Amino acid sequence: KQEVTQIPAALSVPEGENLVLNCSFTDSAIYNLQWFRQDPGKGLTSLLLIQSSQREQTSGRLNASLDKSSGRSTLYIAASQPGDSATYLCAVKGTSGSRLTFGEGTQLTVNP
Amino acid sequence: DTAVSQTPKYLVTQMGNDKSIKCEQNLGHDTMYWYKQDSKKFLKIMFSYNNKELIINETVPNRFSPKSPDKAHLNLHINSLELGDSAVYFCASSHSPGANVLTFGAGSRLTVL
Repeated sequence: KQEVTQIPAALSVPEGENLVLNCSFTDSAIYNLQWFRQDPGKGLTSLLLIQSSQREQTSGRLNASLDKSSGRSTLYIAASQPGDSATYLCAVKGTSGSRLTFGEGTQLTVNP
Repeated sequence: DTAVSQTPKYLVTQMGNDKSIKCEQNLGHDTMYWYKQDSKKFLKIMFSYNNKELIINETVPNRFSPKSPDKAHLNLHINSLELGDSAVYFCASSHSPGANVLTFGAGSRLTVL
């Protein structure tokens, strides 16, 4: 059974800092891995999707890496801004079926 | 136009009541899902329907009954509500069961008193 863990559970940083969020998963037989952003009272927004054959994906100030063999992914946020404050969720999709297995998220606060 | 819309956004009710949450998507997707996010923020899949047919049914109490009248709608009915049912319920849709991208609704926060 796939389990996804995210560290840290919460992170508070001053504006402008670069930061790294970590995600680990127990079963390396994944189809892809996604990073989502969740804002209070709103749905989930997909930020980056990495296929199992890929090593990283970049979008603006965000860079996500995937090391499938070690069961790890990181989300790097450069030059953080207060608007980046949200909960970031990591989710993996197994090689069979359509379900996503989520981590419990990292709550990020960027202080102005 | 909201792609995946859920109603109601907030629902407060007493134990033992029966309630429904509705979900509609206007993306033309074939597959819809219900996820539950508990107090620890874990999102877990409950059900998935593809073109009105049930394809995923996790270990969920049979008090929860999904209904899909057509592929654009997936409603969740909960009988005999319990305190532990308090959570945020998210609806999502995707082009197909194997699609990479799921589009999520804004969530429905259910509080059982």
